[in-house]
Amino acid sequence: DIVMTQAPLSVSVTPGESASISCRSSKSLLHSNGITYVYWYLQKPGKSPQLLIYRMSNLASGVPDRFSGSGSETDFTLKISRVEAEDVGIYYCGQLLENPLTFGSGTKLEIK
Amino acid sequence: QVQLQQSGAELAKPGSSVKISCKASGYTFTSYYISWIKQTTGQGLEYIGYINTGSGGTNYNEKFKGKATLTVDKSSSTAFMQLSSLTPDDSAVYYCARDYPGITRFAYWGQGTLVTVSS
Repeated sequence: DIVMTQAPLSVSVTPGESASISCRSSKSLLHSNGITYVYWYLQKPGKSPQLLIYRMSNLASGVPDRFSGSGSETDFTLKISRVEAEDVGIYYCGQLLENPLTFGSGTKLEIK
Repeated sequence: QVQLQQSGAELAKPGSSVKISCKASGYTFTSYYISWIKQTTGQGLEYIGYINTGSGGTNYNEKFKGKATLTVDKSSSTAFMQLSSLTPDDSAVYYCARDYPGITRFAYWGQGTLVTVSS
């Protein structure tokens, strides 16, 4: 199975500042079709996960453009610009390249 | 709007089975697969598998073969997951999520069903 490793475990951010979350895969997530199959999800407290970024860098519908995704074949970054209080929760990266789909262990974002 | 409504929390005894439902609305049910994901504090998110809601075909994570059985009832736009031979390790929140086709996989999730296995 592909292992997804996230860092840091938690991050505390002052509102208005930026935050970055890293994710590394144990295998390239770049498909021969040129698409990189890493997704990012946010689970707000007490809620179900919600899709933020699909295929490494595409913003899901309704997600503020303060969120962005980037990376290479195995190293990925979720950046949140101008963090707001509503951004608190646990962020997960996931690889949707091959079964079994696997997810990172999550990064908890807190507000200072 | 797209909604996935899951059944309520379950308290089950070791060795028994439970069947969780996920009722879809707001879209054509058979146009999208439904996937199931397990969430525990210790293991995070674990992918169980998906069901093709049109054909009933399934694909399971090897880890959950023999543990989870996915079915659908097209007449009621409902997907089901049965968990058998329950142990305390099966205690978790289980989510259904809308899947293939389309590139925004898991854009819609159910609210989760808590399963507690205890004697």
